[in-house]
Amino acid sequence: ETGVTQSPTHLIKTRGQQVTLRCSSQSGHNTVSWYQQALGQGPQFIFQYYREEENGRGNFPPRFSGLQFPNYSSELNVNALELDDSALYLCASSLGGLAYEQYFGPGTRLTVT
Amino acid sequence: AQTVTQSQPEMSVQEAETVTLSCTYDTSESNYYLFWYKQPPSRQMILVIRQEAYKQQNATENRFSVNFQKAAKSFSLKISDSQLGDTAMYFCAFMTVQGAQKLVFGQGTRLTINP
Repeated sequence: ETGVTQSPTHLIKTRGQQVTLRCSSQSGHNTVSWYQQALGQGPQFIFQYYREEENGRGNFPPRFSGLQFPNYSSELNVNALELDDSALYLCASSLGGLAYEQYFGPGTRLTVT
Repeated sequence: AQTVTQSQPEMSVQEAETVTLSCTYDTSESNYYLFWYKQPPSRQMILVIRQEAYKQQNATENRFSVNFQKAAKSFSLKISDSQLGDTAMYFCAFMTVQGAQKLVFGQGTRLTINP
């Protein structure tokens, strides 16, 4: 059974640029949730995708967007990067209906300069 | 809106001691889940223990147990016989059953186990 993977591990971008982060869900899982974890804080929910449709969104601006593919892998896109977007981005996969069993990936550390 | 509060930013105990991490939450929901997650320096969030709100019995996983007080909206984690590998950030989290099943996390408690 393959666990949740994320790429890249680390990323440095300049303010105003765009970034795409990727997540491969655990085998058999059809739901992916994305979280932003600022330094020293708990993770905050960005959005969730279930069977390629957005299934809930947290308090993040529209420049945070996502996508889920037929194989249930997912992308998080952030446009017009701001310094405050610097954070650890975590994705978690689960099986729809059993979303209380969320398995996290190792995260992508994004630094915006 | 649901909120989760962890009032202990840092804790430190000696190896083999017992330690209790505190968590309170606020919700108007009657059915929900509560979790404790561990995040070691490797950053990967690992599920320690889960409690269903409708279950009166406190969850237990080996050395980890919880004290779930639904009326008080309290959910503490007890680690018995602590080990050096327990050193990590610990996050309490809440999830509703209805709607998007998102996790709402507390601010975390940094736990250090000293040899």
